[in-house]
Amino acid sequence: TQLLEQSPQFLSIQEGENLTVYCNSSSVFSSLQWYRQEPGEGPVLLVTVVTGGEVKKLKRLTFQFGDARKDSSLHITAAQPGDTGLYLCAFRLNSGYSTLTFGKGTMLLVSP
Amino acid sequence: DTGVSQDPRHKITKRGQNVTFRCDPISEHNRLYWYRQTLGQGPEFLTYFQNEAQLEKSRLLSDRFSAERPKGSFSTLEIQRTEQGDSAMYLCASSLQSGLGTYTQYFGPGTRLTVL
Repeated sequence: TQLLEQSPQFLSIQEGENLTVYCNSSSVFSSLQWYRQEPGEGPVLLVTVVTGGEVKKLKRLTFQFGDARKDSSLHITAAQPGDTGLYLCAFRLNSGYSTLTFGKGTMLLVSP
Repeated sequence: DTGVSQDPRHKITKRGQNVTFRCDPISEHNRLYWYRQTLGQGPEFLTYFQNEAQLEKSRLLSDRFSAERPKGSFSTLEIQRTEQGDSAMYLCASSLQSGLGTYTQYFGPGTRLTVL
């Protein structure tokens, strides 16, 4: 059973375009995290969302946590080649639980 | 650089051989995690330590896998009698756990294992 569904699996766009990727589940999460992983490297944490309906911005990246805390989205404005990478969402079962469960990720390729 | 380091970065081995990977966490981080990532998948949890104690192991961690963190600092992950299905990126992460709440896991660059 895939607890986290990420879509699309792969996205190839031109520099300057906008895009949105999604992370969905039937489960309710206490928090959800977004990571970016570049080829040959480990994931790097971008943001943690905790409150239903929460919106966080990180430069050109906008993260939203669904009102019911079952889904999240990542919107990138004016994508740049440096945004290329695997975008992963992950959750912990509860705030006291240590391990992370990841989705399969969305592979983003931004061409100049 | 005081981030998480892993050694080696790449390992190619023949089926049936044993391999050992090392992870050096961020200094003073008391928790250390091992994950495995195969192509087209996100990382999957294998096991984690708090200091030298191994607190949790995934069902993915078969009897051929063993992990240690003898002094609560660096950790090793050994795979015995490797199989082709063990080919993956093995990621290590560390965090500083103090009470409950959200805390960040910092990942190393991974060890890419190829079993021929």
